[in-house]
Amino acid sequence: DGGITQSPKYLFRKEGQNVTLSCEQNLNHDAMYWYRQDPGQGLRLIYYSQIVNDFQKGDIAEGYSVSREKKESFPLTVTSAQKNPTAFYLCASCSSYYSGNTIYFGEGSWLTVV
Amino acid sequence: GENVEQHPSTLSVQEGDSAVIKCTYSDSASNYFPWYKQELGKRPQLIIDIRSNVGEKKDQRIAVTLNKTAKHFSLHITETQPEDSAVYFCAANTGDYKLSFGAGTTVTVRA
Repeated sequence: DGGITQSPKYLFRKEGQNVTLSCEQNLNHDAMYWYRQDPGQGLRLIYYSQIVNDFQKGDIAEGYSVSREKKESFPLTVTSAQKNPTAFYLCASCSSYYSGNTIYFGEGSWLTVV
Repeated sequence: GENVEQHPSTLSVQEGDSAVIKCTYSDSASNYFPWYKQELGKRPQLIIDIRSNVGEKKDQRIAVTLNKTAKHFSLHITETQPEDSAVYFCAANTGDYKLSFGAGTTVTVRA
């Protein structure tokens, strides 16, 4: 768990702004994920990546974008097209996308629209 | 895609009693079922998991059972303690290991 670093922990976004959440892992994991959690709700998958330079949309990808230029990094951009972005964002990683290994989570980033 | 339903949404138990949370899944190809515990404002942490070739797994006061035929699995916490108070999430994957989560169960252990 300690090998996944998310920043910033708290972020405020003005209407119409894009913001980027950082996720770095030093676990040498191939797969990385972004989940969104609304207060009192479960986790919903935004995007995931099996390998460098490849990523796929999850269940709620609209209004979000990602990149995977390096194995250890998977930043998430919340664009102005995301109309209700206030939520807790969790980055996660797994050693292998196909082997059913444990998914570990970062500490999360709180995003609030002001 | 996989659909995971979790019940109950809230659970209040007396300290020392047992707590049981149940989940059902829809995709018969799912083969990995982890359980996560999330304390307020913190990240989910894996507490136990089970794979489809196993029917039951225990780790101290925590156990998970899996019924593949009925497509449901359950978390059992025995001798509950105040530190067990948290939100618990079940999840299920498919062969491509994209986890789908249940909506969560808020467990409160009363002293």
